[in-house]
Amino acid sequence: GALVYQYPRRTICKSGTSMRMECQAVGFQATSVAWYRQSPQKTFELIALSTVNSAIKYEQNFTQEKFPISHPNLSFSSMTVLNAYLEDRGLYLCGAREGTGGFDYTFGSGTRLLVI
Amino acid sequence: AQSVTQPDARVTVSEGASLQLRCKYSYSATPYLFWYVQYPRQGLQLLLKYYSGDPVVQGVNSFEAEFSKSNSSFHLQKASVHWSDSAVYFCALSMGDYAQGLTFGLGTRVSVFP
Repeated sequence: GALVYQYPRRTICKSGTSMRMECQAVGFQATSVAWYRQSPQKTFELIALSTVNSAIKYEQNFTQEKFPISHPNLSFSSMTVLNAYLEDRGLYLCGAREGTGGFDYTFGSGTRLLVI
Repeated sequence: AQSVTQPDARVTVSEGASLQLRCKYSYSATPYLFWYVQYPRQGLQLLLKYYSGDPVVQGVNSFEAEFSKSNSSFHLQKASVHWSDSAVYFCALSMGDYAQGLTFGLGTRVSVFP
């Protein structure tokens, strides 16, 4: 079946440092990869979306300078939180969409970031 | 701009009772709609989705949802809940554009008591 793995599950970083998280789609060919953040007591905010044959699109309030994303292919994606501060804490979810038939995403279990 | 509203932040229900979670959306065209569930310390799992056709869609674990264009709603229901249904439920919308992601509501936390 279609699965999305995220690593690490949890991480702690000191304020002002950076941390990298990874996402891998297994069992299907991803054509879109989306990164979301769920801050405490909030819903999921879209950070950026990568679609095959298109550049990475960042949403308002999120920038490439703060959340650089790299992916050699859409089955593997990594995102770094640069210069993390308290407001960056939360659950970072990666979702991948398969093919062009549907609009739903398969999500990983997320990377929970704690900033101290 | 599109939006999703889940008016109930928390719902408490007894095991075996029925459950309804409300979801209202705002979008100028007919959206694609989803319900996801987040179990404790986990990511999101898809429960069901509506694209077109029969407004009542069936999902996993005996959940179903009904789309209403006139009410701009997509309420989730389950006839008899189990304690394992305790989780946070998110309603989400897609504009049907592969270049756009999903828009989520704030979620409804469901607590099922024995």
